[in-house]
Amino acid sequence: DAGITQSPRHKVTETGTPVTLRCHQTENHRYMYWYRQDPGHGLRLIHYSYGVKDTDKGEVSDGYSVSRSKTEDFLLTLESATSSQTSVYFCAISEAGQGTYEQYFGPGTRLTVT
Amino acid sequence: QKEVEQDPGPLSVPEGAIVSLNCTYSNSAFQYFMWYRQYSRKGPELLMYTYSSGNKEDGRFTAQVDKSSKYISLFIRDSQPSDSATYLCAMSNSSASKIIFGSGTRLSIRP
Repeated sequence: DAGITQSPRHKVTETGTPVTLRCHQTENHRYMYWYRQDPGHGLRLIHYSYGVKDTDKGEVSDGYSVSRSKTEDFLLTLESATSSQTSVYFCAISEAGQGTYEQYFGPGTRLTVT
Repeated sequence: QKEVEQDPGPLSVPEGAIVSLNCTYSNSAFQYFMWYRQYSRKGPELLMYTYSSGNKEDGRFTAQVDKSSKYISLFIRDSQPSDSATYLCAMSNSSASKIIFGSGTRLSIRP
């Protein structure tokens, strides 16, 4: 998984609680992404970052916020978790100039909201 | 209507068979076409990419793009049990933020 770690790998939480997922890379890549993967929907982009403190919304950003204070770390926060946010979350990275097609994915975080 | 449509399967074939996986799309601005492979409980990994139309071959894998029909295919020759995975097509108009993934086809190769 190309120098990308995600933590935690599994989490069960209750509705209404805040949750933060962490993505850490050792590749010094500029772009970082958060996706969620659900049956029948494939991978959907939540937020992405194109540099430190530079972030933008993706397709399914409602209920999520992100922060990137260092090149290597990209945090995804669910301010108040809901059952609809039960999913597998993947972080990905890519390097500008190498073509936007090559994204490297982390191992995923399986989140269950009860 | 989704921008990218992919048959979810599952698709089960005997070892050695030729496998054909397909996606259709609606956005004519897509220029980059990709196939990712995802093993169970793992992150996706890039298998092949193609720019614009045409074919690209890499070992037992061939990617084909027909932009006039908005249709892409991945062929796997001499399929092996180790090819059993979910295959996701993905497309981009070259924007770093806009890779659109299909929902994935689950493939099983029977020994």
